[in-house]
Amino acid sequence: LAKTTQPISMDSYEGQEVNITCSHNNIATNDYITWYQQFPSQGPRFIIQGYKTKVTNEVASLFIPADRKSSTLSLPRVSLSDTAVYYCLVGGGYSTLTFGKGTMLLVSP
Amino acid sequence: DTAVSQTPKYLVTQMGNDKSIKCEQNLGHDTMYWYKQDSKKFLKIMFSYNNKELIINETVPNRFSPKSPDKAHLNLHINSLELGDSAVYFCASSQNRGPSTNEKLFFGSGTQLSVL
Repeated sequence: LAKTTQPISMDSYEGQEVNITCSHNNIATNDYITWYQQFPSQGPRFIIQGYKTKVTNEVASLFIPADRKSSTLSLPRVSLSDTAVYYCLVGGGYSTLTFGKGTMLLVSP
Repeated sequence: DTAVSQTPKYLVTQMGNDKSIKCEQNLGHDTMYWYKQDSKKFLKIMFSYNNKELIINETVPNRFSPKSPDKAHLNLHINSLELGDSAVYFCASSQNRGPSTNEKLFFGSGTQLSVL
């Protein structure tokens, strides 16, 4: 099970780009990297998943360097509604179901 | 047309009581899960069922008993409730059976359980 480390909290302002980095030094060859977003009083919501290089969808981008020992979730031009906890999950099989502490992102006006 | 729905949203009860939380998914997924999120916001998996078969059973007191009448439903029954059971319980589902390299989970909105 690849352990992940991410910042406990981050602050930003509306309109800025936010990058949240997750470290996973012992990622295995078959492991994927998955990010979830959780708003207060709601369940986590899948944002993006990747294996290598770059993945982009309508919500975010995920950058994974060649060594895959870290990954960066990029949120373009955040708004107040992006205030949430962001979880990085790494692994294959059942380990993809294990959530860490997450990063609390606070977006201010 | 909520994908994963669980009821009730709030549950307040006395110590020693027995209660159930129901979950249903209309995504056609094969696998369902129960998670517990405590006051420190740690989200821990409790159980997982695939097509009515128990496939994950983490270290959870046997007062907690999941039941899956069909693959679209996974209920959680809790006997003899204790103060420490107070938490938010989330139901989730995923398309494939674990283990899989890239499970994507779809969560319900949670049940806030308060044991007094």
